[in-house]
Amino acid sequence: QKEVEQNSGPLSVPEGAIASLNCTYSDRGSQSFFWYRQYSGKSPELIMFIYSNGDKEDGRFTAQLNKASQYVSLLIRDSQPSDSATYLCAVEDSWGKLQFGAGTQVVVTP
Amino acid sequence: GAGVSQTPSNKVTEKGKYVELRCDPISGHTALYWYRQSLGQGPEFLIYFQGTGAADDSGLPNDRFFAVRPEGSVSTLKIQRTERGDSAVYLCASSSPTVNYGYTFGSGTRLTVV
Repeated sequence: QKEVEQNSGPLSVPEGAIASLNCTYSDRGSQSFFWYRQYSGKSPELIMFIYSNGDKEDGRFTAQLNKASQYVSLLIRDSQPSDSATYLCAVEDSWGKLQFGAGTQVVVTP
Repeated sequence: GAGVSQTPSNKVTEKGKYVELRCDPISGHTALYWYRQSLGQGPEFLIYFQGTGAADDSGLPNDRFFAVRPEGSVSTLKIQRTERGDSAVYLCASSSPTVNYGYTFGSGTRLTVV
């Protein structure tokens, strides 16, 4: 079982709609959680981090964390074509390094 | 520097050759990480430095891979006797003393072994 699981997609989202991305993790000791965006041929770019249960909003992005369920999600509101990318979920493991999921590809259609 | 710098951006080498990949982290970032990313996969951890020492090298796939960071700044990932399966994008990242605010990645080195 992989430590960080994401649906691979592609997730097709109409422009202006909400994209919902999910991530589960196996290490109950994890305390810090991150979402990275990666455009094709580029390196990952940090867009959100969350440490506490609940929601954290930053512009059009909302990260949600439920440690009891070992679940992290990312919502992208008012999706734009420029949001088309692969979104990587990353979890800090017990040894202080980030473990990444395989990523979910999001395609925003005009 | 302003960002994490990796050189070269692309490297094509013949099977069996030796390669070195360089990473120059953000100034003041004491933690440095090497990851490898294959097509369609997330970054896979290789090794982590805190200062000059390797704090965790559990991700290095075998003894052909080695990394150094002699002065606590620039790091070099060294791959001996390259194999076609080593072809991937090698990503370097750095962070402030803790990982709490995530990593900043360099643009990566695309290694192709032919």
